[in-house]
Amino acid sequence: GENVEQHPSTLSVQEGDSAVIKCTYSDSASNYFPWYKQELGKRPQLIIDIRSNVGEKKDQRIAVTLNKTAKHFSLHITETQPEDSAVYFCAASGAAAGNKLTFGGGTRVLVKP
Amino acid sequence: KAGVTQTPRYLIKTRGQQVTLSCSPISGHRSVSWYQQTPGQGLQFLFEYFSETQRNKGNFPGRFSGRQFSNSRSEMNVSTLELGDSALYLCASSRMTGTTNTGELFFGEGSRLTVL
Repeated sequence: GENVEQHPSTLSVQEGDSAVIKCTYSDSASNYFPWYKQELGKRPQLIIDIRSNVGEKKDQRIAVTLNKTAKHFSLHITETQPEDSAVYFCAASGAAAGNKLTFGGGTRVLVKP
Repeated sequence: KAGVTQTPRYLIKTRGQQVTLSCSPISGHRSVSWYQQTPGQGLQFLFEYFSETQRNKGNFPGRFSGRQFSNSRSEMNVSTLELGDSALYLCASSRMTGTTNTGELFFGEGSRLTVL
């Protein structure tokens, strides 16, 4: 089955700096790659997603890049703010998988003011 | 529009007991998935239901089961509870336009199960 590795597990950045989280996946048939943000004690919420027919997607301070050949994708957060502090999860899913997502282990991001 | 609602929010059980968790999806969402979240294993897929049928199943023992009703509400059951079943159980619903689309999951706040 699909396996998703996520790095780093923790990330501490100064407010205003950029943060980058990287994920690799194993199943070349995977075609949907969402990123979820989970604040302490709250539910995971989708922040951005990308499909395999697109190499990059941007939404304000957040961007995701996908390299299908290398089977990895990354989340980029620019101009980080204290409210960006949370755990971020990457995930992957294949066309035949319905809504089955395989999640990475998560990255705890701390933005220091 | 009301979000995904899970009940109960917290529960404590002892080993060997069974538990049933309930999930009401967002109105109009026909797909309901269940995930187990633990500090050590992260978010792991349990199963997905669509139109009252289990469409996908994760790598969990048969003690974990679920079902979906005609109104898309879903329940999951864990029998013969073990200490390792202590976790946050998250339900997520999705608006489906087909049988192979994968789209945004809307998560509930979860049911936190503690097994003593």
